[in-house]
Amino acid sequence: AQTVTQSQPEMSVQEAETVTLSCTYDTSENNYYLFWYKQPPSRQMILVIRQEAYKQQNATENRFSVNFQKAAKSFSLKISDSQLGDTAMYFCAFRSNSGGSNYKLTFGKGTLLTVNP
Amino acid sequence: GAVVSQHPSRVICKSGTSVKIECRSLDFQATTMFWYRQFPKKSLMLMATSNEGSKATYEQGVEKDKFLINHASLTLSTLTVTSAHPEDSSFYICSARYPYNSPLHFGNGTRLTVT
Repeated sequence: AQTVTQSQPEMSVQEAETVTLSCTYDTSENNYYLFWYKQPPSRQMILVIRQEAYKQQNATENRFSVNFQKAAKSFSLKISDSQLGDTAMYFCAFRSNSGGSNYKLTFGKGTLLTVNP
Repeated sequence: GAVVSQHPSRVICKSGTSVKIECRSLDFQATTMFWYRQFPKKSLMLMATSNEGSKATYEQGVEKDKFLINHASLTLSTLTVTSAHPEDSSFYICSARYPYNSPLHFGNGTRLTVT
């Protein structure tokens, strides 16, 4: 079974600065996806970024980028130029790409990020 | 983009009654939907996988007779909490799988309070 570990329960950052959230995972599979989801106080789950395991290039989405280290099974999220609206719980998630997995997500425990003015 | 609608957003019910939560994919057909439960300040725990036209697959420790899941059409899955008790109070979120290799799309969640 896959596991996802987020070792930082809470983090804070000053507005306009950069912050990195950590995520490690454990799997024996070679074909999978990794995701970062954001859950603001509204509790809506919002996809931030995703990475396909077979792609070596790190994914980027505007101010959000990942550092994907497949051998180390590490998938950290970097938020640049932090904004107040980035305050949320961030979840790292794993999804197998094998047919038998049914594409279900395994989530980490989350990191609560607070952006301070 | 793909939209998932979940209803109701909040519900309060009395102990012993049953509550139905609906999850709809509004602009796509979802062969697979997932139901999660989330406790305050905790992560999402997968309860069950709902496949259209077949029985749901429940995760270990989830009572299938307590949490009835029906996925009768390609756009609708329902979760019924039967004979609800205060310990069933929680936040329930559904998600739907958009066709082939896309990320899951989530509903807005339902806060259930059992008094």
